[in-house]
Amino acid sequence: KAGVTQTPRYLIKTRGQQVTLSCSPISGHRSVSWYQQTPGQGLQFLFEYFSETQRNKGNFPGRFSGRQFSNSRSEMNVSTLELGDSALYLCASSLAPTANQETQYFGPGTRLLVL
Amino acid sequence: KQEVTQIPAALSVPEGENLVLNCSFTDSAIYNLQWFRQDPGKGLTSLLLIQSSQREQTSGRLNASLDKSSGRSTLYIAASQPGDSATYLCAVKDAGNMLTFGGGTRLMVKP
Repeated sequence: KAGVTQTPRYLIKTRGQQVTLSCSPISGHRSVSWYQQTPGQGLQFLFEYFSETQRNKGNFPGRFSGRQFSNSRSEMNVSTLELGDSALYLCASSLAPTANQETQYFGPGTRLLVL
Repeated sequence: KQEVTQIPAALSVPEGENLVLNCSFTDSAIYNLQWFRQDPGKGLTSLLLIQSSQREQTSGRLNASLDKSSGRSTLYIAASQPGDSATYLCAVKDAGNMLTFGGGTRLMVKP
């Protein structure tokens, strides 16, 4: 079974631009979560989607948004990029939000550099 | 607000040593606790998941314990190998499907 895939793997943008990152979950998984990882703040939860609905959102500004499609694929968008948005963005999938006995499977991440 | 702390932040040991990584969390109302491994610049690999009703889980040379009442978990690695060198992260799942991560322990196993 194929794992979680994220595209693109690397991205360089300039301040003020916007960016869209994509995540394809493991087949059959309907819950997708996004995390931001930086050296200073560590791993922080961005948001979670299940059945095309956002269930939870972390403490990030409105410039960070996302969506989920009917095939469970998810995208996240960051508008008006700032230098501090440079990070590794990780996507995780799981069967369902209430599957507490199931682990979340993480993709390889998209490394975003904002210049 | 849940807070997760990992001690030590970094650890360097010679090959063959048994070692213990520590994780503590402030809110004991968790659904599960997971240990992950992260290699430099890569995503996370799940090592062990302990449900809130369990006390420990084992996989090969790894053993993780959970004491929910005291808000602590330990990851025990037996007979460490250079290939174990990585950052180890613990994460707790409480509200919804959100994971709260610790800062990680960066492990170096020297040949």
